[in-house]
Amino acid sequence: TQLLEQSPQFLSIQEGENLTVYCNSSSVFSSLQWYRQEPGEGPVLLVTVVTGGEVKKLKRLTFQFGDARKDSSLHITAAQPGDTGLYLCAGSFGGATNKLIFGTGTLLAVQP
Amino acid sequence: NAGVTQTPKFQVLKTGQSMTLQCAQDMNHEYMSWYRQDPGMGLRLIHYSVGAGITDQGEVPNGYNVSRSTTEDFPLRLLSAAPSQTSVYFCASSYGVGRQTQYFGPGTRLLVL
Repeated sequence: TQLLEQSPQFLSIQEGENLTVYCNSSSVFSSLQWYRQEPGEGPVLLVTVVTGGEVKKLKRLTFQFGDARKDSSLHITAAQPGDTGLYLCAGSFGGATNKLIFGTGTLLAVQP
Repeated sequence: NAGVTQTPKFQVLKTGQSMTLQCAQDMNHEYMSWYRQDPGMGLRLIHYSVGAGITDQGEVPNGYNVSRSTTEDFPLRLLSAAPSQTSVYFCASSYGVGRQTQYFGPGTRLLVL
């Protein structure tokens, strides 16, 4: 059973389009991270959100943490071929629980 | 600065064989973890360690053993490989979890026949 479900699982769009990726759970997380992974490499951190309702922007990428800290979204404006990759959300419960749980992943392909 | 290194990069095993996947980091991180990545499943936590001498199970620990004798090294052992263990394995390290950045190695691609 996956604690973190991402949707869509796969997304193919044209350069210049906007898109949103969702990360949902029935569990409350103390913090949530988004990673991007390119083929043949390990994931690389994009952002960490820790407060319910928090919004962070990284150039054309906007990340939001849900008010109840159970879900998150990643919005990309005017996607470029360089945005192609696997996007993973990861949640931490904090406290004495030291586990970082990853979502199922969203594979994004941006066509030029 | 090498970061997180993993060896080997590729490995083919026969069912029942044993092997150890090596992971080392030179950032003096206390927290290290092992994940496996399968299509449509994202990354699933196998085992993790919060410091030398301390390990704990993740989501999918069966068939894997770990030990943490030093801060730098965190090997993953497959005692009797099974085809279901065919996967890509990633090691990661950090100062902790939650708000801390996880630094990943390049991965080990394992095929069990």
